[in-house]
Amino acid sequence: EADIYQTPRYLVIGTGKKITLECSQTMGHDKMYWYQQDPGMELHLIHYSYGVNSTEKGDLSSESTVSRIRTEHFPLTLESARPSHTSQYLCASSRSFGYTFGSGTRLTVV
Amino acid sequence: GQQLNQSPQSMFIQEGEDVSMNCTSSSIFNTWLWYKQDPGEGPVLLIALYKAGELTSNGRLTAQFGITRKDSFLNISASIPSDVGIYFCAGLNYGGSQGNLIFGKGTKLSVKP
Repeated sequence: EADIYQTPRYLVIGTGKKITLECSQTMGHDKMYWYQQDPGMELHLIHYSYGVNSTEKGDLSSESTVSRIRTEHFPLTLESARPSHTSQYLCASSRSFGYTFGSGTRLTVV
Repeated sequence: GQQLNQSPQSMFIQEGEDVSMNCTSSSIFNTWLWYKQDPGEGPVLLIALYKAGELTSNGRLTAQFGITRKDSFLNISASIPSDVGIYFCAGLNYGGSQGNLIFGKGTKLSVKP
């Protein structure tokens, strides 16, 4: 039973479209994260949040933006998708040490 | 910044064999974590280590927090096909890197049936 949900699981869109990847958690965790991962490769932190109205950029520069208006919700938005954005996007949350990850959104931009 | 060196990068093993992988760093960590990622899914926490020298088991998995606090290893005994996936180590230093986990680059495990 997942406590952190990502939608959609798979998304194929055209270049130039605006998209929002959804992430919600039911655990009441203050900290939430977005990672970008190419298949079988390492995890790159692109955004994180320590609470409502708090967002920071991660180690990997990304053209995406995030918002944190509610504790449980941490959506990621791409204003104008490009083929270089094709990747898997993983959302995670934590209270202290261990992160709980969602199942990810596999994004393909054509 | 802080980095974790995880090795090996990939490995092919025969079913039933034991597996060993490790993570090292030039920095000290207060917590070490090991995750496994199945294809098409997000990583799942396997083992968490909180104390230098700690040895913890979870079924066929055993992990240790190095005495120097700069390394950790994960052993899998008697591997089976469902052990296939990517294993990530992660370290946490409460005082550094905004308190975020630092992840290794992963060890890709493939098992020959």
